[in-house]
Amino acid sequence: DGGITQSPKYLFRKEGQNVTLSCEQNLNHDAMYWYRQDPGQGLRLIYYSQIVNDFQKGDIAEGYSVSREKKESFPLTVTSAQKNPTAFYLCASSIPWQPSRGYTFGSGTRLTVV
Amino acid sequence: GIQVEQSPPDLILQEGANSTLRCNFSDSVNNLQWFHQNPWGQLINLFYIPSGTKQNGRLSATTVATERYSLLYISSSQTTDSGVYFCAVPMDSNYQLIWGAGTKLIIKP
Repeated sequence: DGGITQSPKYLFRKEGQNVTLSCEQNLNHDAMYWYRQDPGQGLRLIYYSQIVNDFQKGDIAEGYSVSREKKESFPLTVTSAQKNPTAFYLCASSIPWQPSRGYTFGSGTRLTVV
Repeated sequence: GIQVEQSPPDLILQEGANSTLRCNFSDSVNNLQWFHQNPWGQLINLFYIPSGTKQNGRLSATTVATERYSLLYISSSQTTDSGVYFCAVPMDSNYQLIWGAGTKLIIKP
């Protein structure tokens, strides 16, 4: 079955470290997204990518970086510049010109600063 | 920009009850999505419903685009329906969704 795989499920980061969250999809979706969710809150868009080798900043891109070298993969790096990275991170994909087909989400990565 | 408001923020029901969740949006939209996030964080896309009514089992959704609101109905609630329900609409393209704050639903056995 097609879907999105996020890894790891739990990640601990020391102060000053960069960490990378993995997101892989086998749905052949062109668009991929990274969202951040804080406890009891809704989703905020970090970055999105429409096609390979292209990505755009969302609402809260500062302190994060992404790459899209392959259609299937959209890794997110949380850099040391992100001062409050503890959150739940969700990756998603879609076919933007077919919104009726909806959005597919991964199971998320919980990042904690220690 | 467009605003999305959901109500109620919290809802506690007994198993078997029916519920109605509301999503108001401040401008016309051509795409409205309903999502369910379970207590473990998994998000599932329930409906694409820019207008009209759709049904999927015990869940149904209705969007009245001219009056800028959408309703999600859950009938005969089960404990597995617990979680947070979000609605979302596009900002200026389907790449950027504006999310409501969600309705947290707790179904008690």
